[in-house]
Amino acid sequence: DVKVTQSSRYLVKRTGEKVFLECVQDMDHENMFWYRQDPGLGLRLIYFSYDVKMKEKGDIPEGYSVSREKKERFSLILESASTNQTSMYLCASRWTVFGQETQYFGPGTRLLVL
Amino acid sequence: AQKVTQAQTEISVVEKEDVTLDCVYETRDTTYYLFWYKQPPSGELVFLIRRNSFDEQNEISGRYSWNFQKSTSSFNFTITASQVVDSAVYFCALSEAPNTDKLIFGTGTRLQVFP
Repeated sequence: DVKVTQSSRYLVKRTGEKVFLECVQDMDHENMFWYRQDPGLGLRLIYFSYDVKMKEKGDIPEGYSVSREKKERFSLILESASTNQTSMYLCASRWTVFGQETQYFGPGTRLLVL
Repeated sequence: AQKVTQAQTEISVVEKEDVTLDCVYETRDTTYYLFWYKQPPSGELVFLIRRNSFDEQNEISGRYSWNFQKSTSSFNFTITASQVVDSAVYFCALSEAPNTDKLIFGTGTRLQVFP
């Protein structure tokens, strides 16, 4: 089974704090993704990475950065958290089998910024 | 532009009823992929199906079935004989070649199945 784990299920931070959200996959996948999920907006792509030290902006990268120092770990960083970054954050890893590509998701981190 | 519309925000049914979740997509590409994911209360998105634009055959997996119609740009999902465990938010998503990594999600449909 594909396993994508996220370091925290729930997180409470204060405005201005630096926040790290960690994601780990154990299937040696090259591609990893960070989304945020908000009511009425579905999931929106923040950043993704094709390989170690590589990153690409998604649709809403503002206010976020990422780090991929090891293949299995993809971190999302909020340099200075703001209340509008209160959301559910989902990490995904891409699995390719028989030429078919599918993203598999972690359990999510609910972040509350006060 | 790419877009996925799930017009049904919330659906409530009683157990054993059949229910269809609608998904309408927009794309200018001829090669694209459609997905359905389930998000139970635990929060994790569970992959259900992936379908490419060249394969319009309907698919059935147990109580789940999918109806892909390019003529109406729809990829609807039907649950037969619904169960309480089917209660979740269901997302439809689209990706276009060659950048198949970029998934465009609909806003989701919350399905509540009552006993």
